[in-house]
Amino acid sequence: KAGVTQTPRYLIKTRGQQVTLSCSPISGHRSVSWYQQTPGQGLQFLFEYFSETQRNKGNFPGRFSGRQFSNSRSEMNVSTLELGDSALYLCASSYRDINHEQYFGPGTRLTVT
Amino acid sequence: KQEVTQIPAALSVPEGENLVLNCSFTDSAIYNLQWFRQDPGKGLTSLLLIQSSQREQTSGRLNASLDKSSGRSTLYIAASQPGDSATYLCAVTALNTGNQFYFGTGTSLTVIP
Repeated sequence: KAGVTQTPRYLIKTRGQQVTLSCSPISGHRSVSWYQQTPGQGLQFLFEYFSETQRNKGNFPGRFSGRQFSNSRSEMNVSTLELGDSALYLCASSYRDINHEQYFGPGTRLTVT
Repeated sequence: KQEVTQIPAALSVPEGENLVLNCSFTDSAIYNLQWFRQDPGKGLTSLLLIQSSQREQTSGRLNASLDKSSGRSTLYIAASQPGDSATYLCAVTALNTGNQFYFGTGTSLTVIP
């Protein structure tokens, strides 16, 4: 069974631009969660989607948004990029909305210059 | 708010040694605890999942225990190998926030040949 895939793997953007990242979960999984990982802050939760509904949201500004499609694929959008948005963005998928093993993708490395 | 701590932050051991990594969390109202490893610049690989009703899980040379009442988990690695060198992260999910992980800051393990 194929794992979680994320595209693109690497991205370089300029301050003020916007970016869209994509996550395809394991087949049959309906939950997708997004995390930001930086050396200073570690892994921080962005949001979770289950069956196209946002179920939970972390403490990030409104520039960070996401959505989930009917095939469970999810996208994350960051508008008006700032230097501090440079990070590894990871998504995780799970079969259920609670209490089930979660699997992570390889991540998208975003660099903002 | 759930806080997860991992001690030590870094560990260096000679090949063949058995070792223990520690994880503690402040709120015992968890669904489950999951241990991951992360290689530099890569995504997270799931190692073991312990449900809140379980006391331990084993996979090969790895054994994870959970003491929910005291807010502690340990990951035991037997007969360490250079390929075990990575950062090890523990994460818990809470009863009221679904699949959201609360991550520790990780233990960076180096196994010296």
